[in-house]
Amino acid sequence: DAGVIQSPRHEVTEMGQEVTLRCKPISGHNSLFWYRQTMMRGLELLIYFNNNVPIDDSGMPEDRFSAKMPNASFSTLKIQPSEPRDSAVYFCASSLGSVRGTEAFFGQGTRLTVV
Amino acid sequence: KNQVEQSPQSLIILEGKNCTLQCNYTVSPFSNLRWYKQDTGRGPVSLTIMTFSENTKSNGRYTATLDADTKQSSLHITASQLSDSASYICVVSANNNDMRFGAGTRLTVKP
Repeated sequence: DAGVIQSPRHEVTEMGQEVTLRCKPISGHNSLFWYRQTMMRGLELLIYFNNNVPIDDSGMPEDRFSAKMPNASFSTLKIQPSEPRDSAVYFCASSLGSVRGTEAFFGQGTRLTVV
Repeated sequence: KNQVEQSPQSLIILEGKNCTLQCNYTVSPFSNLRWYKQDTGRGPVSLTIMTFSENTKSNGRYTATLDADTKQSSLHITASQLSDSASYICVVSANNNDMRFGAGTRLTVKP
């Protein structure tokens, strides 16, 4: 298995533009997580899906952020409009099981820079 | 206040030396604690998981301990190697599925 696949690896965009990050979880995993990592705040959980259904989106910073999981093999995280403070590395992770303490396998991340 | 505190924030050691990283938490009710290693430019990778009844668990040169009474965990690295240079993140899960992340310890192993 190739593991969790994220695209793009790097994204540079201008403030105000829409940004879409993509994730393909490990086949068979039924939980998917989106995280954001910055030097100041470390790793933060943004949203968590189980069986394609959003279970907890309390970590989503504001309405500019939205996430979807139309099927078991694909998820997107969209920021519209983007702002410089959104610059961070965004990780997608997947796991087998609904308990969050189950081991999550992380993708390589998408480094987003908003200028 | 973060419910998971890690120390030190950063650490530099010479190759071959041992080191210990600390994680104190207030997350309750406790379900499990996991140590992740994150290499620069990559996603975190799980090293070990500790449940309430476990006091110590080893994974090669990595040994994790857990004291559920004092709510402390440590990650001990023996005979460090250059490849151990990474950030080590402590993640504590509660019974209600809530997960709390520590800020991580940045370890640098020098030759």
